[in-house]
Amino acid sequence: EADIYQTPRYLVIGTGKKITLECSQTMGHDKMYWYQQDPGMELHLIHYSYGVNSTEKGDLSSESTVSRIRTEHFPLTLESARPSHTSQYLCASSGQGPRKLFFGSGTQLSVL
Amino acid sequence: AQSVTQPDIHITVSEGASLELRCNYSYGATPYLFWYVQSPGQGLQLLLKYFSGDTLVQGIKGFEAEFKRSQSSFNLRKPSVHWSDAAEYFCAVGSKTSYDKVIFGPGTSLSVIP
Repeated sequence: EADIYQTPRYLVIGTGKKITLECSQTMGHDKMYWYQQDPGMELHLIHYSYGVNSTEKGDLSSESTVSRIRTEHFPLTLESARPSHTSQYLCASSGQGPRKLFFGSGTQLSVL
Repeated sequence: AQSVTQPDIHITVSEGASLELRCNYSYGATPYLFWYVQSPGQGLQLLLKYFSGDTLVQGIKGFEAEFKRSQSSFNLRKPSVHWSDAAEYFCAVGSKTSYDKVIFGPGTSLSVIP
């Protein structure tokens, strides 16, 4: 089983607040990803990282930012949350070779 | 550009019936292909994957999928569905580019009637 953890599982917050979604993995994977998923819709890649100090924007434009200071940790930050940020955020990681992704359970974010 | 389509948004089957979920992809070379399942409130779990070799791949929970290059398809099948199979199913395609990304289809929601 995958060892990738996301916290919090659910977050309800008011507009304008700064939030950080946590993602940690204990598999030593270099590659990590953030996906955004609206209900009933496909996943969209918003950020990815190939390793420490490496971060890239994904296919879907996002106002969020990420950092990768440690291999195991890939937090996502929204400086000022807005209702349009309401969505599910899924973190994933993968190791060497063909791209089997391990997913966390996701964070369901609701911005009021 | 890579893309993945899943023509069926929602499928309902009776428990014990067979299942086929369709997936078509667009990609310039031989892709890596995946099927993931997402149970309500959970993250995604890999069911099976195709990288090369035998075009019929076996996965977990009794699922299998067949890669058909001529049809650009990677349909998921199960001979007898169980109530616990009710979930969202995502087909995905990965590339060999340096982006190392996996593109997901829109998903097919499966309901199982007892």
